[in-house]
Amino acid sequence: DVKVTQSSRYLVKRTGEKVFLECVQDMDHENMFWYRQDPGLGLRLIYFSYDVKMKEKGDIPEGYSVSREKKERFSLILESASTNQTSMYLCASSLLWGTGNQPQHFGDGTRLSIL
Amino acid sequence: AQKVTQAQTEISVVEKEDVTLDCVYETRDTTYYLFWYKQPPSGELVFLIRRNSFDEQNEISGRYSWNFQKSTSSFNFTITASQVVDSAVYFCALIPYFGNEKLTFGTGTRLTIIP
Repeated sequence: DVKVTQSSRYLVKRTGEKVFLECVQDMDHENMFWYRQDPGLGLRLIYFSYDVKMKEKGDIPEGYSVSREKKERFSLILESASTNQTSMYLCASSLLWGTGNQPQHFGDGTRLSIL
Repeated sequence: AQKVTQAQTEISVVEKEDVTLDCVYETRDTTYYLFWYKQPPSGELVFLIRRNSFDEQNEISGRYSWNFQKSTSSFNFTITASQVVDSAVYFCALIPYFGNEKLTFGTGTRLTIIP
């Protein structure tokens, strides 16, 4: 089974802090993704990466950056956290498409509160 | 642009009743995949099914069945003889068959099974 591990289930930070959310997958997947989930809005893609050191903006990249130095690890960075970034953050990974896009496998999520 | 609509925000049924979750989508791609994910209270998204646009056969897996109708752009999900463990938020999602790794999610349907 694919295992996607997010470093924290719950995190509380203060406005203006630099926040790191870490995600590790153990299935040698090429693609990794960061989403945020808010009530009534579903899941929205922040950034994704299809290879080491590669990244692509999703639908809502403002206020975020990412880092992928190793294939198995994809970090989401909030450079200066703000209260509107309080949300549930979900990491996912998938195989590079070969016979069509493969299912994304998700971690347990990090519930981030910015005070 | 792609869009997935789950018009039912919340559904409650009594245990053992059947329930259908609706999903309607819009896409200009001629080939694409559709997915259903389950998000139990613990938070992680669990992959349930991937259906490609070539194949309009309905699928059954135990108590779960999926009805894909390309003519009406719908991919509905039915749970037969519902159980309390089925209580979760269910997401429908769409992605092109090749390329563009952006998975477009609906806003989800919260299903509550009443014992």
